[in-house]
Amino acid sequence: EVQLVQSGAEVKKPGESLKISCKGSGYSFTNYWIGWVRQMPGKGLEWMGIIYPGDSDTRYSPSFQGQVTISADKSISTAYLQWSSLKASDTAMYYCARRFVGGTKDAFDIWGQGTMVTVSS
Amino acid sequence: DIQMTQSPSSLSASVGDRVTITCRASQSISSYLNWYQQKPGKAPKLLIYVASSLQSGVPSRFSGSGSGTDFTLTISSLQPEDFATYLCQQSYSTPYTFGQGTKLEIK
Repeated sequence: EVQLVQSGAEVKKPGESLKISCKGSGYSFTNYWIGWVRQMPGKGLEWMGIIYPGDSDTRYSPSFQGQVTISADKSISTAYLQWSSLKASDTAMYYCARRFVGGTKDAFDIWGQGTMVTVSS
Repeated sequence: DIQMTQSPSSLSASVGDRVTITCRASQSISSYLNWYQQKPGKAPKLLIYVASSLQSGVPSRFSGSGSGTDFTLTISSLQPEDFATYLCQQSYSTPYTFGQGTKLEIK
């Protein structure tokens, strides 16, 4: 079964660092981009950025550039999203998703279950 | 960034109804438009890609159309499991922005 499994919920204080993970299985992890999507409470989806695990090519949304770091370790089929200094406004559900690119198709076809990050003093 | 605007923001309908949701892009995106369904507390699920192609396993009552800047998602006969939020996404240029969502509720 093709799946992405994310790390568990986190509760952090402002200023702390955090790294959440997304492990792929059931497919060739190095051959598909992985994207990260933010969903703040009660809000819509925001495309944060994508990484190609095969060569770590990474693209960020201008809204998130410099605010987070996306990385991947292809040896363990895992992508990461990290913060060096969390803010209360980072409180959200974060999803990873596999980007399928083929022909004219370019979409997130497989999603992780989400990781809830709560930042509160 | 390309802005995606959905209408309506919410919609009440009954089982068996035909419903249409609209998504408009701030510039032409050809047919690079995807539709997702999201249920409360769950990850989104891909329904339609390149405006009108049905993702594998998605019921045929879902269909999509449009190109350029205007797109529609149609559900031909609503089923109880279809009450959810629907989101469009452009995959024409990064960042691949989403619409704000249309919440489909039971009348």
